[in-house]
Amino acid sequence: GQSLEQPSEVTAVEGAIVQINCTYQTSGFYGLSWYQQHDGGAPTFLSYNALDGLEETGRFSSFLSRSDSYGYLLLQELQMKDSASYFCAVRDRNNFNKFYFGSGTKLNVKP
Amino acid sequence: NAGVTQTPKFQVLKTGQSMTLQCAQDMNHNSMYWYRQDPGMGLRLIYYSASEGTTDKGEVPNGYNVSRLNKREFSLRLESAAPSQTSVYFCASSENGNSNQPQHFGDGTRLSIL
Repeated sequence: GQSLEQPSEVTAVEGAIVQINCTYQTSGFYGLSWYQQHDGGAPTFLSYNALDGLEETGRFSSFLSRSDSYGYLLLQELQMKDSASYFCAVRDRNNFNKFYFGSGTKLNVKP
Repeated sequence: NAGVTQTPKFQVLKTGQSMTLQCAQDMNHNSMYWYRQDPGMGLRLIYYSASEGTTDKGEVPNGYNVSRLNKREFSLRLESAAPSQTSVYFCASSENGNSNQPQHFGDGTRLSIL
């Protein structure tokens, strides 16, 4: 089976840096993805890590350690528009079409 | 560029009624998915279609059926709606099943069953 754990809520101030952690337990693992979802909106893809290390895309970075079954999303220079829920997701190694999502972390950015 | 389009956006049903949720994508993607999202929770996969003509069960398929009508369209049917199926339903597509291909989501259908 698959199990992903994320903190339920994180609060930070505008301009700060915030890290959202994701730990997973899977029967077969093939990469960790991150999605952003604003209230009432659709999830949108942010990043994907297949290998250990850091992937950087603008203000957002994502990290993966497969030996620790752990990853995180790092958001820098926080803006009010970053207030949203962030989900980590894994793909089943034996079936790339099967995705499993964490329950999400709600990020509140305050002025 | 529409991406993934879902209809309807909102629907209220009575217990026992049937309903089909429609989804269409214009990105020529091979793979399509149906998820449900309950309050404060992540997305759970109901069914997916790896390619035209194929469908398979996901994590929570009970009470649902799907049809991959053609490459563009993937519908989700509730034959006899139950209050436990009250949820937001998202359709998604991806180019194929490769590991690095992101999913593109529609805006969702908010379904209430009384």
